[in-house]
Amino acid sequence: QVQLVQSGAEVKKPGASVKVSCKASGYTFTGYYMHWVRQAPGQGLEWMGWINPNSGDTKDAQKFQGWVTMTRDTSISTAYMELTSLKSDDTAVYYCARGSRIGATTNDPFHVWGQGTMVTVSS
Amino acid sequence: EIVLTQSPGTLSLSPGERATLSCRASQSVSSNSLAWYQQKPGQGPRLLIYGASGRATGIPDRFSGSGSGTDFTLTINRLEPEDFAVYYCQQYASSPRTFGQGTKVEIK
Repeated sequence: QVQLVQSGAEVKKPGASVKVSCKASGYTFTGYYMHWVRQAPGQGLEWMGWINPNSGDTKDAQKFQGWVTMTRDTSISTAYMELTSLKSDDTAVYYCARGSRIGATTNDPFHVWGQGTMVTVSS
Repeated sequence: EIVLTQSPGTLSLSPGERATLSCRASQSVSSNSLAWYQQKPGQGPRLLIYGASGRATGIPDRFSGSGSGTDFTLTINRLEPEDFAVYYCQQYASSPRTFGQGTKVEIK
């Protein structure tokens, strides 16, 4: 079945970077956009951006431009999200979610989500 | 950017009652590309409704979505104990893929 499995929880100091992975299985990894969404404790969902795993093209939400990097390794069907210059308010659960089929004429919602990765930023 | 505003913030109801949740968009959502997600404590979101009114795989028929343009509604008929959770709407017509702030459905 279609599944996204994310890397484990991280604890980082302010100013550090974190890289979260998302391994896809059960479908053609390069056939669907991968999105990243985060959720601060007790807060709502915040979309961060997407990556086209086929081309490597990315689109980041304006808020994250310049300090989030989305990459992928097609040989192991894994997407990555790296956030730099971490601050305490980057403490959140980070999710990957499968988006639309690449090349489709319409967009899709997020049918499949990873289990989430808790990133704690604390001195 | 399309801003989604959900109301009410919290809905206090008893099992067996009907829940009506609203999601209003700051501009028309093209192709009715509006989804609803359910999130329980400690879990990730689960897709309930897409295309404003289509039920995702495995979603019970007590969940229904309606609306178009800028006004959308999620209705949960005959609330079951497992339905008490937070619900988010999302537009996926364009980037950024914005979410509403959520409606918490709690047991009265």
